[in-house]
Amino acid sequence: AQSVTQLDSHVSVSEGTPVLLRCNYSSSYSPSLFWYVQHPNKGLQLLLKYTSAATLVKGINGFEAEFKKSETSFHLTKPSAHMSDAAEYFCVVDFSGGYNKLIFGAGTRLAVHP
Amino acid sequence: GAVVSQHPSRVICKSGTSVKIECRSLDFQATTMFWYRQFPKKSLMLMATSNEGSKATYEQGVEKDKFLINHASLTLSTLTVTSAHPEDSSFYICSAHGGAGLETQYFGPGTRLLVL
Repeated sequence: AQSVTQLDSHVSVSEGTPVLLRCNYSSSYSPSLFWYVQHPNKGLQLLLKYTSAATLVKGINGFEAEFKKSETSFHLTKPSAHMSDAAEYFCVVDFSGGYNKLIFGAGTRLAVHP
Repeated sequence: GAVVSQHPSRVICKSGTSVKIECRSLDFQATTMFWYRQFPKKSLMLMATSNEGSKATYEQGVEKDKFLINHASLTLSTLTVTSAHPEDSSFYICSAHGGAGLETQYFGPGTRLLVL
């Protein structure tokens, strides 16, 4: 069965320290993978996406993610957290082969402490 | 660019009434629009996919007679929650896709529905 799992429901870091948000998917082939961020009272914003090009994908606001086929993972990282990074992050997968039918992970709430 | 708006942002209605939510792509033509539902502290669940000028495709378990979707133009899709009940209270989010060449989907800010 095709699924996407975000391993942590909550992650808390100190400002200036690295961020790691984990995501694994289950599929017999390589789907398209995305990370979206949701700030309170704002629409979902695309951080980055992987669509079978470079396995290390750079996104906005200093975030990047690495696609590892052998581990079926697409973890999101940032070298240094900023207070404004506090939000809900969703790992999203398109298993539909380009038909844009997105499956959302459960989300990870990132808290950033001073 | 690629802005999607939703109206209203919040709505409170009485049980048994119908509520219409609009989703507009402001600066691009959306060949496909999607409607999602998000429960408190939960993820988004796709409700239906609509293509301009054709009937919406509903996901399994979503009542098409309760959640009426109309995509009459390339910039507007509407979701009508008919005969709303308290269990329909939720956060409804739309997204729009403009076809090849644009980033996957652009999301609206969402509409919070509370049915009393």
